[in-house]
Amino acid sequence: GAVVSQHPSRVICKSGTSVKIECRSLDFQATTMFWYRQFPKQSLMLMATSNEGSKATYEQGVEKDKFLINHASLTLSTLTVTSAHPEDSSFYICSARDGDRGGNNQPQHFGDGTRLSIL
Amino acid sequence: SQKIEQNSEALNIQEGKTATLTCNYTNYSPAYLQWYRQDPGRGPVFLLLIRENEKEKRKERLKVTFDTTLKQSLFHITASQPADSATYLCALALSGNTPLVFGKGTRLSVIA
Repeated sequence: GAVVSQHPSRVICKSGTSVKIECRSLDFQATTMFWYRQFPKQSLMLMATSNEGSKATYEQGVEKDKFLINHASLTLSTLTVTSAHPEDSSFYICSARDGDRGGNNQPQHFGDGTRLSIL
Repeated sequence: SQKIEQNSEALNIQEGKTATLTCNYTNYSPAYLQWYRQDPGRGPVFLLLIRENEKEKRKERLKVTFDTTLKQSLFHITASQPADSATYLCALALSGNTPLVFGKGTRLSVIA
């Protein structure tokens, strides 16, 4: 089945550091990828929709200059948390649909998430 | 405002029994609804998708119902096993290409 690979799985770094998270679709092409954030015992909250070759669409309240998204190819999207602070500590998860199967009514496939801890 | 509610934050059941999880939504008209399983520290794993014109969907020990009048979906696991213990998430999409919106999930514990 469709596989989404996310890297790294865990990051611990100092306040002020920028952190890049990669999301790859391994066996399908994804024109659209999604980035979510999840706090403990909370739901997945959509941060942005990443579109291959164009600008990402951010949800209300998500700072686009803080969370930079690049979707340079049909199999790779990156999320960069710039100048991270302790309040950015969270579980970040990417997701993609199989674009070759039409995209409509297809399940979203998720990466295994990145646990970001800012000291 | 739009809401997705999974009524129970946690559910404990005995092994072998049927687990029933509920998902209610308000102010949405979803094209389809999906259920996912999430284990601690992992991303969600897709289980079942049901479309607005479908009443019921089955896959092995899993069954999902979708009642657009009641704005509710029920997720059943029959003959539950300790390995079924996880958090189960309900998710809606308004159309084929819109991102999923998730409920908070129900943490299921199957006790041997």
